[in-house]
Amino acid sequence: GEDVEQSLFLSVREGDSSVINCTYTDSSSTYLYWYKQEPGAGLQLLTYIFSNMDMKQDQRLTVLLNKKDKHLSLRIADTQTGDSAIYFCAEREYGNKLVFGAGTILRVKS
Amino acid sequence: GAGVSQSPSNKVTEKGKDVELRCDPISGHTALYWYRQSLGQGLEFLIYFQGNSAPDKSGLPSDRFSAERTGGSVSTLTIQRTQQEDSAVYLCASSRGTAEGNTEAFFGQGTRLTVV
Repeated sequence: GEDVEQSLFLSVREGDSSVINCTYTDSSSTYLYWYKQEPGAGLQLLTYIFSNMDMKQDQRLTVLLNKKDKHLSLRIADTQTGDSAIYFCAEREYGNKLVFGAGTILRVKS
Repeated sequence: GAGVSQSPSNKVTEKGKDVELRCDPISGHTALYWYRQSLGQGLEFLIYFQGNSAPDKSGLPSDRFSAERTGGSVSTLTIQRTQQEDSAVYLCASSRGTAEGNTEAFFGQGTRLTVV
């Protein structure tokens, strides 16, 4: 069955880069997403990548996709305290089903 | 509407009672999803609708859980004979259909269910 896995916790210093990793199992996934959930708030889309792309950059965010290994990563450059949140990786499978990982808690130390 | 609306925002119920959670998706969104987020846990997929039909109900935890969607719009998630382990935040999301490329899912603020 489908499964999306992420590491549970990442701690970085302010100004450093953060890299959050995700693996997925469904090779038919068309789009892959990164969502952010701040404390007490709902989930918001950060960025996404289409499955035929290797990389997407959006300001401080860089998404890398290795389709062969079914590995997705999110790099946040110059991490700020406001980036502290839970980051969810998600895959959209054929038929529009969205499957999420368990989320990675990012803690940024000042 | 402007966003995904869920009601109630908070619900406290006694063990054994039935509850109904409502989701009003963004107008025109054909896909609707229900997830459950327990304290400190990730997003557990429950069910999703494409229009009024549910292609995948595999995430419903037990036969006490059911969901329906009518008119391709509002959906209700019903939990019968609630148990304490049902306590969680129930999140609803909606998105456009698959024919239109990327379909970002927009989330509601969730219903926090507490079973006492």
